[in-house]
Amino acid sequence: GAVVSQHPSWVICKSGTSVKIECRSLDFQATTMFWYRQFPKQSLMLMATSNEGSKATYEQGVEKDKFLINHASLTLSTLTVTSAHPEDSSFYICSASDPGTSGSYNEQFFGPGTRLTVL
Amino acid sequence: DAKTTQPPSMDCAEGRAANLPCNHSTISGNEYVYWYRQIHSQGPQYIIHGLKNNETNEMASLIITEDRKSSTLILPHATLRDTAVYYCIVSNWGGATNKLIFGTGTLLAVQP
Repeated sequence: GAVVSQHPSWVICKSGTSVKIECRSLDFQATTMFWYRQFPKQSLMLMATSNEGSKATYEQGVEKDKFLINHASLTLSTLTVTSAHPEDSSFYICSASDPGTSGSYNEQFFGPGTRLTVL
Repeated sequence: DAKTTQPPSMDCAEGRAANLPCNHSTISGNEYVYWYRQIHSQGPQYIIHGLKNNETNEMASLIITEDRKSSTLILPHATLRDTAVYYCIVSNWGGATNKLIFGTGTLLAVQP
């Protein structure tokens, strides 16, 4: 199957700093990428949908100025957590799909996740 | 997107079939049923999907009731590595947003 990578796999930062997480589709072109957040023992929560070359669409309650998403190429999307605080500590997961080649269903390929800890 | 209801947890003996139920009574005609699983601290993994017919692949079988209001994921011979949270999701594949909304899922514990 298609492979999606994330970098870094984990990061620890001080409160008030910004952290950038990369999501790459390694062997396919991803016209759409998704960013999720998962707190311990909870389900994945969709944060935003990004389409290559256009602005991301954020889910209700997600601050777009705090979680900056860029999808400048068909293989790379980035999520920047600005002015991070301890409550932003979470597991961030991206996924990618290419509806043009996925046939009749929208299989999403998930990255391995990035664990962010804000001190 | 339609919501799903799953039992929070299930146990299964190693080597036996694991049958995971999912209710999606508000599913609409153009929504597919998807199953993903998430092993601890990893990204979700696609398992199978279907619209109205039963489906089978190398990982599992998906049984969808005729009225499409519920489905069952079957792992024919569960192994310890199948211990994970299993998510049943309904979504419109062709929708503009193409979103998958995860519910709480079922934690399947395969026992030796």
